[in-house]
Amino acid sequence: QSALTQPASVSGSPGQSITISCTGTSSDVGGHNYVSWYQQHPGKAPKLIIYDVTKRPSGVSNRFSGSKSGNTASLTISGLQAEDEADYYCNSYTSSSTWVFGGGTKVTVL
Amino acid sequence: QVQLQESGPGLVKPSETLSLTCAVSGFSISSGYYWDWIRQPPGKGLEWIGSIYHSGSTYYRPSLKSRVTISVDTSKNQFSLNLNSVTAADTAVYYCARRVEGTSNRDCWGQGTLVTVSS
Repeated sequence: QSALTQPASVSGSPGQSITISCTGTSSDVGGHNYVSWYQQHPGKAPKLIIYDVTKRPSGVSNRFSGSKSGNTASLTISGLQAEDEADYYCNSYTSSSTWVFGGGTKVTVL
Repeated sequence: QVQLQESGPGLVKPSETLSLTCAVSGFSISSGYYWDWIRQPPGKGLEWIGSIYHSGSTYYRPSLKSRVTISVDTSKNQFSLNLNSVTAADTAVYYCARRVEGTSNRDCWGQGTLVTVSS
């Protein structure tokens, strides 16, 4: 069970949009619409920001959006704000009835 | 308001068994949902350990399957993680979480507890 592939870091200026990719295989990301994204600030528990590829939990800013094409899922943060600086993880269900996380992406607001 | 709280020893000796409990409040664990254990080694990423359904069905990370057991105690409204034959590589912050059935919505997480494996 290999981890999903995410870029180690992504950066952007306030107000810009950034996109984080999450690449898997047809046995995980490509084969199921059970992809979620988590935001994690240092020393804190992860916070769910997107689930089922595109759905946003109540209370999460609409600046966060998710999508999927083939074996790659993406998280877009629009109107980047200083508070968005954090680590982001994707997670997918697999055909083995297990779950796999991405390696994580550090977002820096310049 | 649903709350999850991990508890257990913060220090475990190599080759021994790591045991953690996740107490659930504000929701009956027997009412449904999947209950997960996830860990994060210091400075590293998240790693799914396993899940248990309220009925008792379990699912484990393949690389840990031979060492891990997740169980549920509906009378105490809690679920537990046992990981045996631990090594320093098992040092991590351990989180428990609730996942809505039929979705990838892990809507509630515990605060996490650090477990260090050291003699």
